[in-house]
Amino acid sequence: EVLLVQSGGGLVQPGGSLRLSCAASGFTLSGNWMSWVRQAPGEGLEWVANIKGDGSEKYYVDSVKGRFTISTDNANNSLYLQTNSLRAEDTAVYYCARARGPGSQGPYDYWGQGTLVTVSS
Amino acid sequence: DIQMTQSPSSLSASVGDRVTITCRASQTISSDKDYLNWYQQKPGKAPQLLIFAASILQSGVPSRFSGSRSGTDFTLTISSLQPEDFATYFCQQSYSVLRTFGQGTKVEIK
Repeated sequence: EVLLVQSGGGLVQPGGSLRLSCAASGFTLSGNWMSWVRQAPGEGLEWVANIKGDGSEKYYVDSVKGRFTISTDNANNSLYLQTNSLRAEDTAVYYCARARGPGSQGPYDYWGQGTLVTVSS
Repeated sequence: DIQMTQSPSSLSASVGDRVTITCRASQTISSDKDYLNWYQQKPGKAPQLLIFAASILQSGVPSRFSGSRSGTDFTLTISSLQPEDFATYFCQQSYSVLRTFGQGTKVEIK
């Protein structure tokens, strides 16, 4: 059974940092593209970042470039999102998601449970 | 970046109604297939995949859900709305590695 279990959210002051984690089971991360998607309170879904399973390609939405870093640890079969220089507008529930298939264009067939990041003083 | 325009933003419907939601991409999202996916999200829960490649039903999704394309417009149809279908629906393009979602359509009880 494929599972994505997230951890690492919380309350942080503006300018602070958090590392979000997504532990995968039931499949090997290196074989899939993985993503982070966020949802601000009462808002829609926003794609944040993608990473190829082997870590060789990474992409970000413009609003987080230079502040967020997506990475994988294949030994632990885990996905991470390092978030730095956090702003109020980064407040959201963050989801990890798996793209089906070996390529970059598969739909998100499995999602983590979500973790809330609140940026406030 | 590819913009996805979804409409309507909300709708009210009754159990048994036929419901249609539309999504339009700002540029092509089709090559060997249509890279358009639909998700359902219920309050406090992660989104769930309903339809991928514009018209292929994800395993376990009821057959009252269907997807289609007409020109540059993609459509999600619920043929007979059931109580468990009241939720928010999002389209998403996966043609570009810079993925984008539509704004969402909230389906409410009339």
